Amino acid sequence: SQKIEQNSEALNIQEGKTATLTCNYTNYSPAYLQWYRQDPGRGPVFLLLIRENEKEKRKERLKVTFDTTLKQSLFHITASQPADSATYLCALDNQAGTALIFGKGTTLSVSS
Amino acid sequence: EAGVAQSPRYKIIEKRQSVAFWCNPISGHATLYWYQQILGQGPKLLIQFQNNGVVDDSQLPKDRFSAERLKGVDSTLKIQPAKLEDSAVYLCASSLEGRGTLKKAFFGQGTRLTVV
Repeated sequence: SQKIEQNSEALNIQEGKTATLTCNYTNYSPAYLQWYRQDPGRGPVFLLLIRENEKEKRKERLKVTFDTTLKQSLFHITASQPADSATYLCALDNQAGTALIFGKGTTLSVSS
Repeated sequence: EAGVAQSPRYKIIEKRQSVAFWCNPISGHATLYWYQQILGQGPKLLIQFQNNGVVDDSQLPKDRFSAERLKGVDSTLKIQPAKLEDSAVYLCASSLEGRGTLKKAFFGQGTRLTVV
C-alpha cells in the first residue's frame, strides 16, 4: 500500500545553517507533492507544491526538489532562523488521486 | 479572505458520550476534508467531500463516526459513542478542487478532543 516516510522525527540545527528535510514515498507515483508547516496548536499551512516534471522549486529561503526515480523529495530552508522552528509535513495524493495523504512530519528546531 | 472556521476549539467528554464538531470552509471551496491528528503523528484523512457528496470515507470508522456536509458548505463530524483512543485533534480543511494542483489545502485551527 501507499506509504510516506519522513525519515527524521526531529532535526536540530544552528541559526544560519541550511536545514534539509527528507520525504520518501513508496508504491505510488504522484503527479505532484506538497509541503506544509505546522506550529503547535495550529493547523498545517501550505508552503510549496512541486509537480513531477519540475526538478526544483524555490520560494524565498525555501527550496524543494522532487526526484521521481528515487521517489524522494527534499525540502531545504537556507539561512535558517529560530522562527523557522516548527513541524514540516510532506503530503501527496492517494492512488485514486482524490485524498491528500500526509507524512508523520519532521520537527525542526533552530537554535540561536 | 476568511479562513476555515472550526468550533469548538477544545472539548472534554467521558467515554461513551457523543460529540460533534463544526466546520465552515473558505467560501467557494468545493472540497472539504476532515482529518484526525493524534499527538506526534501526521494528519490522517477521515472523510473527503466534493460539494455535498462523499468522495472518500474509506478510513472513517463508520460504526461510531459520521459526517455530513450541508448544502455543500458547512460540515459536521460526529462521534458516538466516543472511545479513549479518539482523543486527538480534529482538523477541517478545504480546497478549491479535489484534484490536481488546485488541491492546495487550507486548514482550520482544529478541535482538540480529550476523552476521559
